[in-house]
Amino acid sequence: DIQMTQSPSSLSASVGDRVTITCRASQGIRNDLGWYQQKPGKAPKRLIYAASSLQSGVPSRFSGSGSGTEFTLTISSLQPEDFATYYCLQHNSYQYSFGQGTKLEIK
Amino acid sequence: EVQLVESGGGLVQPGGSLRLSCAASGFTFSSSWMSWVRQAPGKGLEWVANIKQDGSEKYYVDSVKGRFTISRDNAKNSLYLQMNSLRAEDTAVYYCARDPWGSCFDYWGQGTLVTVSS
Repeated sequence: DIQMTQSPSSLSASVGDRVTITCRASQGIRNDLGWYQQKPGKAPKRLIYAASSLQSGVPSRFSGSGSGTEFTLTISSLQPEDFATYYCLQHNSYQYSFGQGTKLEIK
Repeated sequence: EVQLVESGGGLVQPGGSLRLSCAASGFTFSSSWMSWVRQAPGKGLEWVANIKQDGSEKYYVDSVKGRFTISRDNAKNSLYLQMNSLRAEDTAVYYCARDPWGSCFDYWGQGTLVTVSS
């Protein structure tokens, strides 16, 4: 099974800050990775697919990068609506796996 | 507009069974892989199972193998999850999600809560 290690588990930041979240795969997954945002009581929303492709309708302040085992999600300038929990998901193997999540909180 | 609507959740005793359904609309259901994903209260997301377009391939997370069965009815545009021998640790919101081959979940339902408790 492929394990996804996501860091940090929580992060305090201010509006306007640049933040980066990282996911590391236990083995190479090419670019078979997506990033999701989840707000309390809601279903997750896809932000990034294929490691770096921006989902239609998602603001350009979100970006993804990486390939193989190291991946990052960057928010260039935090907005109030970005405070949420973020997850990475690998779909390289037949058994998918999520990272543990990063809770982004207002400082 | 793509819509996924789950149903069938509820309270069940340990060792019991439950069948979840997901009604799909707004896309060609028979052309899409589909998945179930769950989230225990206050916890992260966990992929549970997925199924190929024609039902010929199915994959499961290790913790549910032998207890859960994913299936679909393309004529009814519906996805199912039969859950047997339920345990307290299966308590979660269960989401169905469209699972485009070569990509990752792009559409999700609103979820249905399963509570396993005596």
